[in-house]
Formats: sequence, C-alpha cells, structure tokens
Amino acid sequence: DSGVTQTPKHLITATGQRVTLRCSPRSGDLSVYWYQQSLDQGLQFLIQYYNGEERAKGNILERFSAQQFPDLHSELNLSSLELGDSALYFCASSARGTGDSGNTIYFGEGSWLTVV
Amino acid sequence: KNQVEQSPQSLIILEGKNCTLQCNYTVSPFSNLRWYKQDTGRGPVSLTIMTFSENTKSNGRYTATLDADTKQSSLHITASQLSDSASYICVVSARDYKLSFGAGTTVTVRA
Repeated sequence: DSGVTQTPKHLITATGQRVTLRCSPRSGDLSVYWYQQSLDQGLQFLIQYYNGEERAKGNILERFSAQQFPDLHSELNLSSLELGDSALYFCASSARGTGDSGNTIYFGEGSWLTVV
Repeated sequence: KNQVEQSPQSLIILEGKNCTLQCNYTVSPFSNLRWYKQDTGRGPVSLTIMTFSENTKSNGRYTATLDADTKQSSLHITASQLSDSASYICVVSARDYKLSFGAGTTVTVRA
C-alpha cells in the first residue's frame, strides 16, 4: 500500500459527460501528480501541484482540469468525455518537487475510467 | 524535446535467468533517473532513483546502472522469479520538475 488513495476505483460513463476523480496523497506529501495510461500505452504526465499551486503541466487537454485543495487532496475533472478518454488515471504524491533525487514518488492504484 | 526510449519493448525469460533492460534518454538538464515496476492494472512502484553522480544502485535482485555521459541506463534482474513479470518503466526527471516516461519494457517470466 503506497498510502495514496484514489476514488473511485472504477467508473463507467457516457460520452459528453463530466466526471471527477479524487486523490488523497500520502500523509505529509505536498506534491500531487496526475497521469493518464491508456490501454497498452505508457504513462502520460498530465499535471503536478505543489502545496496548492500548479507546478508543472504536461499533455493535459483543455477539457481536463485539476486542483489541489488546502488539505492537499486533489481532484481531476474530465469534461465533455470522449471514447478516447477511456484510460487508467493515476495519482501520485511526493514530499517535494521531482528535482530532488531523494524525493520518491508514490503512485495510487488508479481510477479506471470507461467512456461508452 | 525530452525523450526516453526503452528497449526491448518486451521480453520473455525463464525463471532463474537474468535479464537486462535498457533506457536511453535525451532529457536535459538532467536531475535524476528512476526505474519503476508496474504490475498489470496496478500503480507503479519505485525500484531505484539515481542522480548524475551515481553509477550503480541495487534494490534486492534489481540493479540499475547509469552513464550520464552517454545518457544511458540499464536495469538488471538477477535470478528472475515469476513475480518479476511486469512492466518496467524508466523515468527521467529534469531540473524543471518535469518527468519524462519511457513506454516501458514488459517482462514475462516463465516457469
């Protein structure tokens, strides 16, 4: 158990809908990261937050948005869903920024999103 | 563009044998390189983290090497076990906090 909690574990929704994925980081971790992993694809970095502020942005679509709240949990909002958005969405957390080699990044078990 | 290339894409080995996975990167400026193990449908788990000054780091039967001059890393699995069947992902961190992920190498260990 990495200590990173993601909900829901599985989600099936229709095209055009909006969903919210939730992530609770490990206790004490200030950084939260979101990744997308489509079937048979590698992990794609979406966005990173550090202590409530956006720290880095990757290949995140404009239909997607995220935020980190004062209690450090984070939410990833996916709107106007398309079939191609079906994927496993991972949240990860770490104590500090990734430039620090002593900063292990811990991944949650992911949220499976299926868009039908 | 920062890139991480892993090879081979997949491999099959017999239980008890050794194997080596490769990772080449173009990420700059380099901060550190990480190897992760990802079981199917599960979250990746960190195996090793290496900085510019580290050449080798071990974690049990996993040994990672880094040549920062040639921008190459390898992950060696010794005496493979069935539980080693997984995807192994090379991740390179740049100093601007961005991570670059390789596509992974899928290892299948057969009895």
